[in-house]
Amino acid sequence: EAQVTQNPRYLITVTGKKLTVTCSQNMNHEYMSWYRQDPGLGLRQIYYSMNVEVTDKGDVPEGYKVSRKEKRNFPLILESPSPNQTSLYFCATQTGGTEAFFGQGTRLTVV
Amino acid sequence: GQQVMQIPQYQHVQEGEDFTTYCNSSTTLSNIQWYKQRPGGHPVFLIQLVKSGEVKKQKRLTFQFGEAKKNSSLHITATQTTDVGTYFCAGPADSNYQLIWGAGTKLIIKP
Repeated sequence: EAQVTQNPRYLITVTGKKLTVTCSQNMNHEYMSWYRQDPGLGLRQIYYSMNVEVTDKGDVPEGYKVSRKEKRNFPLILESPSPNQTSLYFCATQTGGTEAFFGQGTRLTVV
Repeated sequence: GQQVMQIPQYQHVQEGEDFTTYCNSSTTLSNIQWYKQRPGGHPVFLIQLVKSGEVKKQKRLTFQFGEAKKNSSLHITATQTTDVGTYFCAGPADSNYQLIWGAGTKLIIKP
């Protein structure tokens, strides 16, 4: 079954404590991306990756890092989280400019 | 940069009434995609339109792609409680696989 798996689903953390949200896909897709979703703002892209070792900034990259060492994994790293990074995060994969497959989401609260 | 505007942000309807959401792109799109996000869920792909003037139907949902391939609409006939959620349109950016997202329209059924 085609899957995009994100972990954790829910996370409450404190300001400044480094965290990683993992994303893994089994569809062999080259393109992966991270979005954050906030009320009234829709989906905003944080980072994307066209292939292994190729990453680029999206619309709201400040405060985030990513890596793509393997095709299937695309972790999102918050080195020093702040309360304004409290949000719902989605990982997504696609091939070409076509259908995107989303993970289940990670609801992050930074206090 | 490329933008996709989507209106309205919210639409409140009585069950059985119709619902429409509109998307307008700043540039011509090679395709437009529609997604549905149920409350508490992740965006799920509904359909992709590719041809100028294309109209596709899925039961009570009708999707249209404009002649100039810059605008699109989703119309739901006789809404049901299962239609509740947020509907997003998205189109590929000119330069790569990146999807440019509309802000979404939230369908709310009045009690």
